[in-house]
Amino acid sequence: GAVVSQHPSWVICKSGTSVKIECRSLDFQATTMFWYRQFPKQSLMLMATSNEGSKATYEQGVEKDKFLINHASLTLSTLTVTSAHPEDSSFYICSAWRDSSYNEQFFGPGTRLTVL
Amino acid sequence: QQQVKQSPQSLIVQKGGISIINCAYENTAFDYFPWYQQFPGKGPALLIAIRPDVSEKKEGRFTISFNKSAKQFSLHIMDSQPGDSATYFCAASKRGAQKLVFGQGTRLTINP
Repeated sequence: GAVVSQHPSWVICKSGTSVKIECRSLDFQATTMFWYRQFPKQSLMLMATSNEGSKATYEQGVEKDKFLINHASLTLSTLTVTSAHPEDSSFYICSAWRDSSYNEQFFGPGTRLTVL
Repeated sequence: QQQVKQSPQSLIVQKGGISIINCAYENTAFDYFPWYQQFPGKGPALLIAIRPDVSEKKEGRFTISFNKSAKQFSLHIMDSQPGDSATYFCAASKRGAQKLVFGQGTRLTINP
């Protein structure tokens, strides 16, 4: 199968601090990864597309200076929430795109961020 | 045109019954239609997917029915079990594109 991991699974931080979330594809290479945000009982909201070796592409309304994305290798993308505030509290999910005829995306288990 | 509309928002089915979730799209460039299952506090898991060259795909108790002319597709869960209780998302993407457009989700509850 195709496994995507995220670390940490949950994090609590104080307002004003920065938090880094890692997303790894464990058994396949992923030139493209995606970062989503999900509020309770809502659908997934795409934040940005992360491409290995190049700058991330952010969706409209997502602050690129707030949510820093680095796709360091073919198996690792990181999302850093800078100067986090309580309104940044959410469930963050990454996915990795596996090149196939079906454009398959595989999702990580998510990271619950709580900013106090 | 980028939207995928999913219904119902919530669904309650008795154990052993058939659960049916529907999705509709406008963009005829979409050519990949996956369904994801998400349990509380977990990431979505790919359940089953279909392309428009077939009208139906079955994997175990899960079946996707696809109606290209109506621009609709649906997920059928046969012999629904309490363990199927989760939120289900339909999605769509365009050929050559990697972004998925998600439906709003359906919270499915299977009563024992």
